[in-house]
Amino acid sequence: EDKVVQSPLSLVVHEGDTVTLNCSYEVTNFRSLLWYKQEKKAPTFLFMLTSSGIEKKSGRLSSILDKKELFSILNITATQTGDSAIYLCAAHNTNAGKSTFGDGTTLTVKP
Amino acid sequence: DGGITQSPKYLFRKEGQNVTLSCEQNLNHDAMYWYRQDPGQGLRLIYYSQIVNDFQKGDIAEGYSVSREKKESFPLTVTSAQKNPTAFYLCASSLLNQPQHFGDGTRLSIL
Repeated sequence: EDKVVQSPLSLVVHEGDTVTLNCSYEVTNFRSLLWYKQEKKAPTFLFMLTSSGIEKKSGRLSSILDKKELFSILNITATQTGDSAIYLCAAHNTNAGKSTFGDGTTLTVKP
Repeated sequence: DGGITQSPKYLFRKEGQNVTLSCEQNLNHDAMYWYRQDPGQGLRLIYYSQIVNDFQKGDIAEGYSVSREKKESFPLTVTSAQKNPTAFYLCASSLLNQPQHFGDGTRLSIL
């Protein structure tokens, strides 16, 4: 059975802090690792990682994948209150054509 | 604008009643998905479909049914067999093996 575990489950920081969110996975026929941000309703796509060791970056957010150790991290530098959200990690099984999601990390950024 | 539309936003179900949640997309995506999200948890896959007239059970399909008669539409029926239907339901679509685009969700409650 495919499995994705995220840690920590929740995190409270102050504006300006740097945070690291973790995601480990056990997925057969693994193709890609995806990160999404969910603020109120619809999750929105952040990154898709398919190759080990190649950092993807978007502004203050960055992410990297380690396919040998089966994990990924999402870094957010200089956090802002607008970064408060649930961050979801998902691993995609290419043969089944579906993704398995972790339970998410709830990030709260205080002013 | 292209996107995914879910309706209704809020739905109430009486005991013994079947209810149907609508999901329509105009992104020309082949794959569509239904997820359930409970408080403090990630997304659990109910059903998914990669092509018209074909769909597969996800991890928690019991008590739910779907159809995929058109590429644009993937309605979900919550049957009376689903004993704990109160949850937030998200529909998504994607190109094959690509990031998913999500609707704004339907919140289902029991009367």
